[in-house]
Amino acid sequence: QSALTQPASVSGSPGQSITISCTGTSSGVGSYYLVSWYQQHPGKAPKLVIYEGSKRPSGVSNRFSGSKSGNTASLTISGLQAEDEADYYCCSYAGSSTLVFGGGTKLTVL
Amino acid sequence: EVQLVESGGGLVQPGRSLRLSCAASGFTFDDYAMHWVRQAPGKGPEWVSGISWNSGALGYANSVKGRFTISRDNAKNSLYLRMNSLRAEDTAFYYCAKDISRGPTVTFDYWGQGTLVTVSS
Repeated sequence: QSALTQPASVSGSPGQSITISCTGTSSGVGSYYLVSWYQQHPGKAPKLVIYEGSKRPSGVSNRFSGSKSGNTASLTISGLQAEDEADYYCCSYAGSSTLVFGGGTKLTVL
Repeated sequence: EVQLVESGGGLVQPGRSLRLSCAASGFTFDDYAMHWVRQAPGKGPEWVSGISWNSGALGYANSVKGRFTISRDNAKNSLYLRMNSLRAEDTAFYYCAKDISRGPTVTFDYWGQGTLVTVSS
């Protein structure tokens, strides 16, 4: 199964914007609608924040947005808040009816 | 309110079997694909298996193919994972997750609280 590459960590100050990248293959991330993003706080189950590349589920702040360039998807969080500090994971199709998660990015709000 | 409640986890010896269950409520179960996702302590999530609404499409991670079997009973609003030949590396929290579509996609909009499987002698 193909891997999805994410930076291990990113950080930003309250009010700033940060972007987390997720690099994969043309058949997975390269297909825009085949990318989702999850937020996970310690001890909690992951929570969906972006799906089909750029759609936000009901109840998710519009400070979260998704985009894509080539085989790299990105999650941007604007107007950083303390509550955004968490681990973030992308997920995409990996071929042969399998899915794969990225390695995760730890977001620190300074 | 959507609820997914996993059960069946526990301590099991290497090579033995275990069956996990997920009881679903708060939505029309047979309208959606379902998945199992696991997460070892301190690690990221790993997709394990997915099943379409009518069990017509199944998928497994390479790490469990041939050892794990996913199934569902739409009459009982339940999802299952039969795990055979368990290994130490299968130790993880196992989450049941609901898809947003009938066919397996990459989008899980609801997750259970997880059940811990520990494989150790």
